[in-house]
Amino acid sequence: AQSVTQLGSHVSVSEGALVLLRCNYSSSVPPYLFWYVQYPNQGLQLLLKYTSAATLVKGINGFEAEFKKSETSFHLTKPSAHMSDAAEYFCAVTSTGGGNKLTFGTGTQLKVEL
Amino acid sequence: GAGVSQTPSNKVTEKGKYVELRCDPISGHTALYWYRQSLGQGPEFLIYFQGTGAADDSGLPNDRFFAVRPEGSVSTLKIQRTERGDSAVYLCASSLTGNEKLFFGSGTQLSVL
Repeated sequence: AQSVTQLGSHVSVSEGALVLLRCNYSSSVPPYLFWYVQYPNQGLQLLLKYTSAATLVKGINGFEAEFKKSETSFHLTKPSAHMSDAAEYFCAVTSTGGGNKLTFGTGTQLKVEL
Repeated sequence: GAGVSQTPSNKVTEKGKYVELRCDPISGHTALYWYRQSLGQGPEFLIYFQGTGAADDSGLPNDRFFAVRPEGSVSTLKIQRTERGDSAVYLCASSLTGNEKLFFGSGTQLSVL
C-alpha cells in the first residue's frame, strides 16, 4: 500500500517569503509523486510530477520539489510567495504502472499575508 | 469542451434517494476517473474507465455505487439509497491515456440530508 502524509494542514507565510510545504511518502515500490493545487471553486491542477527521471522537479508558477529517497520526502518549495499562491495544495503518490490512480494526502491550506 | 465539465455543481437530496452525477471529459480523452473528496480530506479514488470499460473499480465503497461510460465519453456516477455519509465533493478527471496528465473538473457537491 502507498500513502502520503502532509505535515501542517495550514501554513501561513508573508508575501515574498519562502514557501515550504511538506510531504512524506510511504511506498513498497518506487513511487511516482505529484503536487496538485486547488484554487477556490476550481478543479485540481497539476503543479509538478516526479517519475524518477530527475530528483529535482520544476513545476508551474515557480514551484519545485525535490525527491529525497533517504528521507522519503517530496517537499514543495517556492523562493518567494505571491498573494496568488494562496490555495490548497495536495501531495499524491502512485506506483509505476499505477497510471492516474492516485493516493492523496489530506492537503495543506497556504495563506499568504501582506 | 475546453475542460472537464461536471453537472450539477451542487446536488441536495434526502437520505434513501437515488442520485446521478454527470461528467463530460475533455474530447478525445480515453481515460476517465472518479474521485470523492470528503470535508478536510484529500480526494479518494473511486473508479477508472479506459474507453467504455471500468478498468479498476476497487475504490467504490459498496454496491450502492455504480458508474457507467457507455460510449467512451460522458460518464455517470450513480448512487442508490443515499446515506448521510455519502455527502462529499465528487470529482471527475480525464487524461489522454491512463498515464498522461490528469485534468480535473470542479466537482459536484453532494449533500444528503
